[in-house]
Amino acid sequence: GQQLNQSPQSMFIQEGEDVSMNCTSSSIFNTWLWYKQDPGEGPVLLIALYKAGELTSNGRLTAQFGITRKDSFLNISASIPSDVGIYFCAGPPNAGGTSYGKLTFGQGTILTVHP
Amino acid sequence: EAQVTQNPRYLITVTGKKLTVTCSQNMNHEYMSWYRQDPGLGLRQIYYSMNVEVTDKGDVPEGYKVSRKEKRNFPLILESPSPNQTSLYFCASSFRGGENTEAFFGQGTRLTVV
Repeated sequence: GQQLNQSPQSMFIQEGEDVSMNCTSSSIFNTWLWYKQDPGEGPVLLIALYKAGELTSNGRLTAQFGITRKDSFLNISASIPSDVGIYFCAGPPNAGGTSYGKLTFGQGTILTVHP
Repeated sequence: EAQVTQNPRYLITVTGKKLTVTCSQNMNHEYMSWYRQDPGLGLRQIYYSMNVEVTDKGDVPEGYKVSRKEKRNFPLILESPSPNQTSLYFCASSFRGGENTEAFFGQGTRLTVV
């Protein structure tokens, strides 16, 4: 099936630094979703992208839908300790078909922020 | 408050003892799914449901059953749990499928099978 590859797998940064992570696929996705999972909790949707080339912000977070439709990027500016968690990219597989609510997830990027 | 509620949050059981994890959503969503999360593998879909009485297999359905008798509920059933089903499980719901399929997740159920 379609797979999403996230990188990096983990990041250790200092508070105040900017963060970039990306997600790539061998096939086209028509929607890209970015989730954050806090320890012991379920994933929470951060940003949804529906159009190739789209750039969307949510506070200090900015995500972009790649022009090729095979990648997406998430940036976090001026990181703070509460940014700690696992960030997942996700999207409905079978672009052009019917996904029935199915999502394919990347493996996740574990973010650690040192005060 | 719009939410997806799973129970229990934590469960330890023995091999072969049937168990059910419940999931309920109050957003009138048509689509519901179950995922398992294992280290390094992200979230993998077990089963999904497009509406009442309509379910289908996801990527890792072996050893699991589901039912959708009511729109709001989507229980996950393990008829004969095995240790390789030790995992963190999430239920999710979304308004519709297709391209706009933002899913909302429950808080998770951590299952240990000994």
